[in-house]
Amino acid sequence: GAGVSQSPSNKVTEKGKDVELRCDPISGHTALYWYRQSLGQGLEFLIYFQGNSAPDKSGLPSDRFSAERTGGSVSTLTIQRTQQEDSAVYLCASSLEGLGDEQFFGPGTRLTVL
Amino acid sequence: AQSVAQPEDQVNVAEGNPLTVKCTYSVSGNPYLFWYVQYPNRGLQFLLKYITGDNLVKGSYGFEAEFNKSQTSFHLKKPSALVSDSALYFCAVRAMYSSASKIIFGSGTRLSIRP
Repeated sequence: GAGVSQSPSNKVTEKGKDVELRCDPISGHTALYWYRQSLGQGLEFLIYFQGNSAPDKSGLPSDRFSAERTGGSVSTLTIQRTQQEDSAVYLCASSLEGLGDEQFFGPGTRLTVL
Repeated sequence: AQSVAQPEDQVNVAEGNPLTVKCTYSVSGNPYLFWYVQYPNRGLQFLLKYITGDNLVKGSYGFEAEFNKSQTSFHLKKPSALVSDSALYFCAVRAMYSSASKIIFGSGTRLSIRP
């Protein structure tokens, strides 16, 4: 596709349920990032993939959060036993490969935990 | 540890006047520095970056930024502001030479340009 896509665009769930967020990066981009943006806040780094491996998982808030990437392309971010404080916009970005490459962001998934 | 500071939550400028959005950073070694913009109801977009070379970097929409190593700053500037520049601006930093280094974003500065 022309840009980074994310699905769903909106997700409303009940506290305690699991959710899965999907990111399709730009074709050919080997690096993929997940961020969280709470209302009125900056971007919080969650995890970074280079290919299918994750050199840096240091931003994942708890063991309820996990992410994987398969085939060097699509990535899924899974949040288990969601809590109200997980409510935020989850952003995915991809870049060509290098640390100095700019990131291209998707439109985000707005997660609301009731 | 890497960090980025955007000391101003909001910057207000009259249209046609020059604007500056401040950013300072802390990183081990040499940095990669970025500016991104988030327009209302739109995704984050890349504006410009500094990797190496000339300290003055020019980017999209007439914006530029100056890398100052001694002051560890990377302020965003534009000579003449437009109302359409009103948006949320983020500075970001990443350490060079570390494949595991994450990119750290500042808290953002809301730029408001009045007609």
